[in-house]
Amino acid sequence: GAVVSQHPSRVICKSGTSVKIECRSLDFQATTMFWYRQFPKQSLMLMATSNEGSKATYEQGVEKDKFLINHASLTLSTLTVTSAHPEDSSFYICSARRQGASTEAFFGQGTRLTVV
Amino acid sequence: TQLLEQSPQFLSIQEGENLTVYCNSSSVFSSLQWYRQEPGEGPVLLVTVVTGGEVKKLKRLTFQFGDARKDSSLHITAAQPGDTGLYLCAGAQDTGRRALTFGSGTRLQVQP
Repeated sequence: GAVVSQHPSRVICKSGTSVKIECRSLDFQATTMFWYRQFPKQSLMLMATSNEGSKATYEQGVEKDKFLINHASLTLSTLTVTSAHPEDSSFYICSARRQGASTEAFFGQGTRLTVV
Repeated sequence: TQLLEQSPQFLSIQEGENLTVYCNSSSVFSSLQWYRQEPGEGPVLLVTVVTGGEVKKLKRLTFQFGDARKDSSLHITAAQPGDTGLYLCAGAQDTGRRALTFGSGTRLQVQP
């Protein structure tokens, strides 16, 4: 199956600092990638859709200036949590879907962010 | 509003028992995926069903897509502790440019 790599898997940062999370599709090109947030014991909540070469599309209630998304190439999307606060602590997961016949989404390993 | 309703939300059973997880919607999906997620990891794809009425088997797991492509079920036979995890169904309504619609998840715990 397709592989999506997410880095880092864990990060602890101080309040007020920014954290960048990378999501790479390793064996296919992904013009679209997706960023999710997951709270404990809950399902995935879509935050934004990352489009290669254009602006990301954010879901209602997600602050675009808080969660900066850049999709500069067909294999890399980044999510930057700016001026992090303890309430931003969460599990962030990216995914990518192949275009065309295959409609499955493949997920990164997730990033556990802890803001202290 | 949750487009995909998943039930039950939580299930704790003994090793060797059978179980079924349901995923229901009023919307039609072009395909439906089932994922399993373990704590601290991303979801891992188990199966994709595409055709209405389709049945797929993966060892002790049987997946079925409803005839109208609005619902799906996952049946596990003789559950084992290794089956413990969060099971997620997710529906696709296009060829890949939109995010999947996820169910609320079913947390399965299999006691040895």
